[in-house]
Amino acid sequence: DIVMTQSPDSLAVSLGERATINCKSSQSVLYSSNNKNFLAWYQQKPGQAPELLIYWASTRESGVPDRFSGSGSGTDFTLTISSLQAEDVAVYYCQQYYSTPRTFGQGTKVEIK
Amino acid sequence: EVLLLESGGGLVQPGGSLRLSCAASGFTFSNYAMSWVRQAPGKGLEWVSAISGGGGGTYYADSVKGRFTISRDNSKNTLYLQMNSLRADDTAVYYCARDSHSNSYYWFDPWGQGTLVTVSS
Repeated sequence: DIVMTQSPDSLAVSLGERATINCKSSQSVLYSSNNKNFLAWYQQKPGQAPELLIYWASTRESGVPDRFSGSGSGTDFTLTISSLQAEDVAVYYCQQYYSTPRTFGQGTKVEIK
Repeated sequence: EVLLLESGGGLVQPGGSLRLSCAASGFTFSNYAMSWVRQAPGKGLEWVSAISGGGGGTYYADSVKGRFTISRDNSKNTLYLQMNSLRADDTAVYYCARDSHSNSYYWFDPWGQGTLVTVSS
């Protein structure tokens, strides 16, 4: 199984400041035949179901604010919130879909400083 | 609007059984693979099982293989998860989620609101 490890486990950021979450996979999730990274990011607000933010490592889902961006390739990925808003308080998960079983990172909790 | 509505959760004794349902609306159900993903209290997300759009392909996490059975009724736009031989570590909120394509298993979008399964004596 591919192990997904996120860092940090939690972070507190001031409103309007940048938040950066890292995700590392135990093996590459870059599929050479199409040069795509098989990685997604989700946001889970307190008491709610997860919601898709980003897929193919950097493609923003329709309706997701452009302050959310994804980057990285191979085994190292980053989710960036460029200017943290109060409604962004949540736990964020990365997920690989390169191989079965699809696996998630342990989550990163983002709070307001 | 795409909606997924789970039901069937509850309290069950260890060794017992439960069947979860997920009613889908707002999209052509048979065109999409579907999955179950669970979240133990205060913990992260764990993919449990997936089924192809036509129902011919089924996949399971090792932790539930041989105990859980995923199925679907495309005429009723409903996904199921039959859970047998339940254990305490199966306690979780179970989410149904739409896969990205009929026979491709990529990201999950959207998710239902979840149904809580508690396994305890």
